[in-house]
Amino acid sequence: EADIYQTPRYLVIGTGKKITLECSQTMGHDKMYWYQQDPGMELHLIHYSYGVNSTEKGDLSSESTVSRIRTEHFPLTLESARPSHTSQYLCASSEVYYNSPLHFGNGTRLTVT
Amino acid sequence: ILNVEQSPQSLHVQEGDSTNFTCSFPSSNFYALHWYRWETAKSPEALFVMTLNGDEKKKGRISATLNTKEGYSYLYIKGSQPEDSATYLCAFSEASNYQLIWGAGTKLIIKP
Repeated sequence: EADIYQTPRYLVIGTGKKITLECSQTMGHDKMYWYQQDPGMELHLIHYSYGVNSTEKGDLSSESTVSRIRTEHFPLTLESARPSHTSQYLCASSEVYYNSPLHFGNGTRLTVT
Repeated sequence: ILNVEQSPQSLHVQEGDSTNFTCSFPSSNFYALHWYRWETAKSPEALFVMTLNGDEKKKGRISATLNTKEGYSYLYIKGSQPEDSATYLCAFSEASNYQLIWGAGTKLIIKP
């Protein structure tokens, strides 16, 4: 039973389109994260949030944006998709403590043609 | 640039055999070390979070050790089963930043 949900699971879209990847969690976690991961490679942090109205950019430069209007919802938006955005995007959440484990969604596999 | 190395990259193990693999991380300014299991078509699942040098954690047939002074952690699986097939990820955080830095994972395949 998943407590953190990502939609869509798979998305194929043309260059230049605007897309929003959805992420919701039911655990009441304050911290939420977006990671990007290519096959066989490390997870790279692209955005994170410590709570409502808090958003920060991660280590990996990204052309995406995020918002955190509600605790449970942390959508990621690409204003104009490009083939270089083709990747897997993982959403995660955790409790406030720095040594809390992350809870992950199932991911969105994005292909931009 | 902080780096987390996992070895080996992939591993084939006969069912019933025990195995282990390594996560290496910077030994200075350590805060925490995480281990996750990521099965195909599922989401990564936390196994352990370790914070103290010499820490040992166990969950069923899986255990982990931590050496923060030399910068490594071992994950052990005793009596491997097909359901252990997964990619095992480790991630390190340092005390000044707390953001997780991830290794590329060890892909474990259990042969029946």
